[in-house]
Amino acid sequence: QIVLTQSPAIMSASLGERVTMTCTASSSVSSSYLHWYQQKPGSSPKLWIYSTSNLASGVPARFSGSGSGTSYSLTISSMEAEDAATYYCHQYHRSPPTFGGGTKLEIK
Amino acid sequence: QVQLQQSGAELVRPGTSVKVSCKASGYAFTNYLIEWVKQRPGQGLEWIGVINPGSGGTNYNEKFKGKATLTADKSSSTAYMQLSSLTSDDSAVYFCARSGNWVDYWGQGTTLTVSS
Repeated sequence: QIVLTQSPAIMSASLGERVTMTCTASSSVSSSYLHWYQQKPGSSPKLWIYSTSNLASGVPARFSGSGSGTSYSLTISSMEAEDAATYYCHQYHRSPPTFGGGTKLEIK
Repeated sequence: QVQLQQSGAELVRPGTSVKVSCKASGYAFTNYLIEWVKQRPGQGLEWIGVINPGSGGTNYNEKFKGKATLTADKSSSTAYMQLSSLTSDDSAVYFCARSGNWVDYWGQGTTLTVSS
């Protein structure tokens, strides 16, 4: 199965700071099948970015996604308090679908 | 609006089985797949399997073959996941989720606690 490794596992950012987290796949993933989810404690995950770079409905424009092959990233241009959460990358390129271990983003 | 309403928390004994439900509303049930995902406390997400409610066809993560059984009832727009021979390792939150080209909507999760 394709293993997704997210880094860092935990990070903290100041309000207004630029944030980047990465997702590295053990083998190549089509960009159409690499997605990101946001999860806050006690809640279910929410679709955040689909097909590498497309923002889901309601996601602020300060978020962006990029990447190809085995390397993908999620960037927040200016950290806001509401962005504190855990972000998971997810591939559906090859079965079984897999998730990364998550990046927990905290406010510094 | 799209909603996936899951059944409530369960406390069950080791060795028994449990059936979790996921009632869909706000869209055509047979037009999308239903995925099931496991999340242990403080841990990441693990894919269990998927069912096509229209055809009844299923695909399972090898790890959950023999553990999970997915079914769907078109008449009530409800998907089900049965977990058998429960152990403490099965204690987790279980999510159902809708997928087309990607997983877009998630249920609220069902907490399963396996304890004697």
